[in-house]
Amino acid sequence: SQQGEEDPQALSIQEGENATMNCSYKTSINNLQWYRQNSGRGLVHLILIRSNEREKHSGRLRVTLDTSKKSSSLLITASRAADTASYFCATRSAGDTGRRALTFGSGTRLQVQP
Amino acid sequence: EAGVAQSPRYKIIEKRQSVAFWCNPISGHATLYWYQQILGQGPKLLIQFQNNGVVDDSQLPKDRFSAERLKGVDSTLKIQPAKLEDSAVYLCASRTGGSGQETQYFGPGTRLLVL
Repeated sequence: SQQGEEDPQALSIQEGENATMNCSYKTSINNLQWYRQNSGRGLVHLILIRSNEREKHSGRLRVTLDTSKKSSSLLITASRAADTASYFCATRSAGDTGRRALTFGSGTRLQVQP
Repeated sequence: EAGVAQSPRYKIIEKRQSVAFWCNPISGHATLYWYQQILGQGPKLLIQFQNNGVVDDSQLPKDRFSAERLKGVDSTLKIQPAKLEDSAVYLCASRTGGSGQETQYFGPGTRLLVL
């Protein structure tokens, strides 16, 4: 079953604008990760945020985590056409002490218009 | 460093036929995962290996799916017999297996179409 649900399902913006994607999950987590998937390709890890962290930055990416609301957001600033892809949040359950298995959400399809 | 390799990239079969997918993880990665990704959805874990042992296969439809990682390196995933609903992308991912290492590295996937 899918742990996370992304919102919106699809997003279309102009190059240079910011893109915000949200993820909600159901159970307590150890960490939350965001992955990108270009069409016809595998997933690429973007950023990880642990349950005791509230915000994290990596380049043009900013991730926030609100464990009380069981939600996370991914912000991509100054978007580029190359950012066009599907973005997935993935959670590792707090009860997962060794498997480090991930449960993926349903994804947000981002289209950046040049 | 070479990434995760998968083959074939595409496969078209008829229902009730069998099919096998192959994965070669990143060298030295002890943990290997197989995911099924249906169009428009996120990946769903089918099976997880640690070296050559199965860690979790709770979501693997064992009546038709099987997987092995005999020498703790390459892995194969088999479907026999295939059903229409097995049409999906099958992704292989690997991870170092060390504590604190959370990132999974994905291969390009095998796109399966069952007619």
